[in-house]
Amino acid sequence: GAGVSQTPSNKVTEKGKYVELRCDPISGHTALYWYRQSLGQGPEFLIYFQGTGAADDSGLPNDRFFAVRPEGSVSTLKIQRTERGDSAVYLCASSLQENTEAFFGQGTRLTVV
Amino acid sequence: SQKIEQNSEALNIQEGKTATLTCNYTNYSPAYLQWYRQDPGRGPVFLLLIRENEKEKRKERLKVTFDTTLKQSLFHITASQPADSATYLCALDGYGGATNKLIFGTGTLLAVQP
Repeated sequence: GAGVSQTPSNKVTEKGKYVELRCDPISGHTALYWYRQSLGQGPEFLIYFQGTGAADDSGLPNDRFFAVRPEGSVSTLKIQRTERGDSAVYLCASSLQENTEAFFGQGTRLTVV
Repeated sequence: SQKIEQNSEALNIQEGKTATLTCNYTNYSPAYLQWYRQDPGRGPVFLLLIRENEKEKRKERLKVTFDTTLKQSLFHITASQPADSATYLCALDGYGGATNKLIFGTGTLLAVQP
């Protein structure tokens, strides 16, 4: 596709459940980022992939959060035992290489009830 | 850690005027600084990038300045239009070589009145 695609656009889940959020980056972009944005705040860095490997996962809040990018393209953010505090918009971005402009998807709005 | 301050209050201006948004940071000087626009329910959209050795950069009606002494960037929109109404986010690269990650401010909401 022409831009970064994220699915689903909205996800409502019960506290304690497991969720997976998917990101399809722009074709050919080697760098992929996950951010989390709460209402009234700027995006908060979670994890960065260069190719298949997680080059920087320092933003993941705890071990309930995990992300993969097995073939260096599509990435999945996985959240175990969801908590109400995990409710936010999860944004994915990709760039041709690091230190260049990032292209963001429209985000997945996660609501934990 | 880096702290980024953007005006939390909305900026209301009249169509045709110049809008000026401020981004202040504390702590280390970034290698580059970026400005993004975000509309409700959408992801941020890249506007401009300015590097530490650049004082000013322009793109159409947009102008960004970067003062590493004041630790401040100013973002100007000249001849503003109602379509420019959005939240504008300032973002800096991470510290000490962690240039892959962007640290975002909370954003400033701009409302251009017709």
